[in-house]
Amino acid sequence: ETGVTQTPRHLVMGMTNKKSLKCEQHLGHNAMYWYKQSAKKPLELMFVYNFKEQTENNSVPSRFSPECPNSSHLFLHLHTLQPEDSALYLCASSQDSADLSYEQYFGPGTRLTVT
Amino acid sequence: AQSVTQLDSHVSVSEGTPVLLRCNYSSSYSPSLFWYVQHPNKGLQLLLKYTSAATLVKGINGFEAEFKKSETSFHLTKPSAHMSDAAEYFCVVSVVNSGGSNYKLTFGKGTLLTVNP
Repeated sequence: ETGVTQTPRHLVMGMTNKKSLKCEQHLGHNAMYWYKQSAKKPLELMFVYNFKEQTENNSVPSRFSPECPNSSHLFLHLHTLQPEDSALYLCASSQDSADLSYEQYFGPGTRLTVT
Repeated sequence: AQSVTQLDSHVSVSEGTPVLLRCNYSSSYSPSLFWYVQHPNKGLQLLLKYTSAATLVKGINGFEAEFKKSETSFHLTKPSAHMSDAAEYFCVVSVVNSGGSNYKLTFGKGTLLTVNP
């Protein structure tokens, strides 16, 4: 596999469920990101990890919990979500989040529906 | 604080005619600017980026954009649209945060480009 992969591609969960989204990058990058893309709204940055350290938490509710065990993998653990959390969740990676010259590479996203 | 405004939520062109997708930005610091494209059921792909070098930036698939500081604009153009260009396009501004430890991307709301045969 090349690039940035995300699993699952689609997820339907109830408000009391616990699930996890997975992201893997095969680009040798050191920074990874979670974004939320909702209909009619701009893309929202959620979390940033650089060299496995979390460097940004954009006031995300605690029902979203990220985990970055190494520079190639990023998880988003979900629990007690609300229907308004339904969205496309995009993962991205870049060489270094502190360097403006490096662009981000995006995965295809996980389409999450909370019922 | 920075912001991005994409002036058109939807642009429709005929195949073979020029494309213009408009973007204005505001930023307290020297920005980097990007255009990304998102095809249906796909992630975002970088088209081009401006990082304080040449003001006219050429990207993939025949797209280019011109950074105009006086107008705070970074409009995306292509001389001749192709059916495969139909997608959503995002203008993005990036600056270093106040702590200097990270940069933050601010995305526009997107412009949906429709290409008619």
